[in-house]
Amino acid sequence: ETGVTQSPTHLIKTRGQQVTLRCSSQSGHNTVSWYQQALGQGPQFIFQYYREEENGRGNFPPRFSGLQFPNYSSELNVNALELDDSALYLCASSFGFGGIDTYTDTQYFGPGTRLTVL
Amino acid sequence: AQSVTQLDSQVPVFEEAPVELRCNYSSSVSVYLFWYVQYPNQGLQLLLKYLSGSTLVESINGFEAEFNKSQTSFHLRKPSVHISDTAEYFCAVTNTGGFKTIFGAGTRLFVKA
Repeated sequence: ETGVTQSPTHLIKTRGQQVTLRCSSQSGHNTVSWYQQALGQGPQFIFQYYREEENGRGNFPPRFSGLQFPNYSSELNVNALELDDSALYLCASSFGFGGIDTYTDTQYFGPGTRLTVL
Repeated sequence: AQSVTQLDSQVPVFEEAPVELRCNYSSSVSVYLFWYVQYPNQGLQLLLKYLSGSTLVESINGFEAEFNKSQTSFHLRKPSVHISDTAEYFCAVTNTGGFKTIFGAGTRLFVKA
């Protein structure tokens, strides 16, 4: 059974640039959630995708967007990067039992992508 | 709105001593509760979870947590810690709707020899 993988491991960008982070979900999972973890803080929920549709969103601006593909892998895109976007970005995959507002089972986290914005 | 408060940012403890990491939450709806552990430069690993049933849940490596609904707490305990338990521990809640997980700020457990 393959776990959750993320790429790239590290990334350095400059202000105003755009970035795409990738996540491959665990086999059998249909749900991916993305989190931002700033240094010394807990992860903050960005959004969740269930079966290729956005299933919920945290308090992040629209320049944070995502996609989920038919194989349930996912991308996180961030436009117009700001210095405060520097963080560890985590994705977590899980199995969802239904549509919106339906519980998803245990989340399994990838190792994260460390983004530095200069 | 939901929130999670981890009452201690750092907990230093000697090896083989007991430890308790405290977590309180607030929510207007039913929740599921989790503890995750994060080792340096790694992602989060699920330690244990409470969904329903027995309020005392245990992990395979000796940690346990008790859901106390009246005190809205989910404290993590271990009777005897090891050096290898040194890590960051995060308490988290998910509403029973399931799509949004809220994490606490984390507690750094430092086990000394």
